Amino acid sequence: DTGVSQDPRHKITKRGQNVTFRCDPISEHNRLYWYRQTLGQGPEFLTYFQNEAQLEKSRLLSDRFSAERPKGSFSTLEIQRTEQGDSAMYLCASSPKRRATDTQYFGPGTRLTVL
Amino acid sequence: DQQVKQNSPSLSVQEGRISILNCDYTNSMFDYFLWYKKYPAEGPTFLISISSIKDKNEDGRFTVFLNKSAKHLSLHIVPSQPGDSAVYFCAASPGSSNTGKLIFGQGTTLQVKP
Repeated sequence: DTGVSQDPRHKITKRGQNVTFRCDPISEHNRLYWYRQTLGQGPEFLTYFQNEAQLEKSRLLSDRFSAERPKGSFSTLEIQRTEQGDSAMYLCASSPKRRATDTQYFGPGTRLTVL
Repeated sequence: DQQVKQNSPSLSVQEGRISILNCDYTNSMFDYFLWYKKYPAEGPTFLISISSIKDKNEDGRFTVFLNKSAKHLSLHIVPSQPGDSAVYFCAASPGSSNTGKLIFGQGTTLQVKP
């Protein structure tokens, strides 16, 4: 069990550019979540995968955001045409399939700065 | 609308004393509550949880109390240690959701002074 990993840890980009983040969940965890955290706030739910199926998306996830989990293992979160308001910490979490209340294990996050 | 609220942005206590962190929620459909701890440059780490059918859960130095009628929960840390200094997030899970998504409060920064 190596924990949830995220790459990159930091990303600085210019407004209008596209960025992609990767999340590797704990092995054999079927559930994968993406959250966004801005300064002074708690994490906010963005989207949820069970295996490769994206089963829920928050209204926070505008059409510039897309997430995939093609083989039910790692996941990517892409932001197109980034805006300064997208600057935040993007957190990934995973949990076992057994119950919806299973503990979610978080990665260290990717900090995005949009100039 | 902020469904989970932590009204105290910060708390400072002396080492060895009790730390009490508070959390209020508005949605009566929440049926599972958690506390996470976050150190700088790390992701949140699970601390303790409680189901809505209970009013107390204890794990070592950490105890969570749930008052459903008041829609209030609290985390007690006894005795507090300098290593407990971190940001603490309260989170709730809607019972109607099968996804397990969490709704977080804004966080409370705890400082434990030696």
